[in-house]
Amino acid sequence: GAVVSQHPSRVICKSGTSVKIECRSLDFQATTMFWYRQFPKQSLMLMATSNEGSKATYEQGVEKDKFLINHASLTLSTLTVTSAHPEDSSFYICSARPLRAEFLDTQYFGPGTRLTVL
Amino acid sequence: AQSVTQLDSQVPVFEEAPVELRCNYSSSVSVYLFWYVQYPNQGLQLLLKYLSGSTLVESINGFEAEFNKSQTSFHLRKPSVHISDTAEYFCAVSVHQAGTALIFGKGTTLSVSS
Repeated sequence: GAVVSQHPSRVICKSGTSVKIECRSLDFQATTMFWYRQFPKQSLMLMATSNEGSKATYEQGVEKDKFLINHASLTLSTLTVTSAHPEDSSFYICSARPLRAEFLDTQYFGPGTRLTVL
Repeated sequence: AQSVTQLDSQVPVFEEAPVELRCNYSSSVSVYLFWYVQYPNQGLQLLLKYLSGSTLVESINGFEAEFNKSQTSFHLRKPSVHISDTAEYFCAVSVHQAGTALIFGKGTTLSVSS
């Protein structure tokens, strides 16, 4: 089956530092990858949509200069949280839409990355 | 804009009891409907989905959901739950358009005890 990995699974950093999270589609090519944020006991909130080779589209209220997204290849997207603050602590989840899929709606989710900013 | 409401944040049930997790959505356009499950410390997994056709869809592990257009609902049911069904369940929608993301409800925690 289609597998999406995220690295790291957990990261703890100091306030003011930057953290990079990788999202990889391991056995398929993904034209589109989505980045979500999940707060405890809350739903997944879409942060941005990234398409390979083009700039990401950010949802309203998401600071694009703070959450840098790069989708450099059909199997890798990265989310960099710059100058992290404690309020950025959250669970970050990516999903990937295959280049070739039976249905356009198909998405596969990564296991998530728990970011804690001290 | 679309929105999803999961009416119950927590549903505790005993093993072998039936369960229903409720989901209502709001949209001015046609949508696809999904249920995802998230087991502890794991990523989201697709449980079942409605795209078109029969309004009753089933998963391989005994869950089913029925699309009700008039009530804008997509409730998830299982006639007899197992301890292993304990997880977080998310209802989600996406519009009928390529490249759109999913819009999720807040999730329902299903806790099955013996």
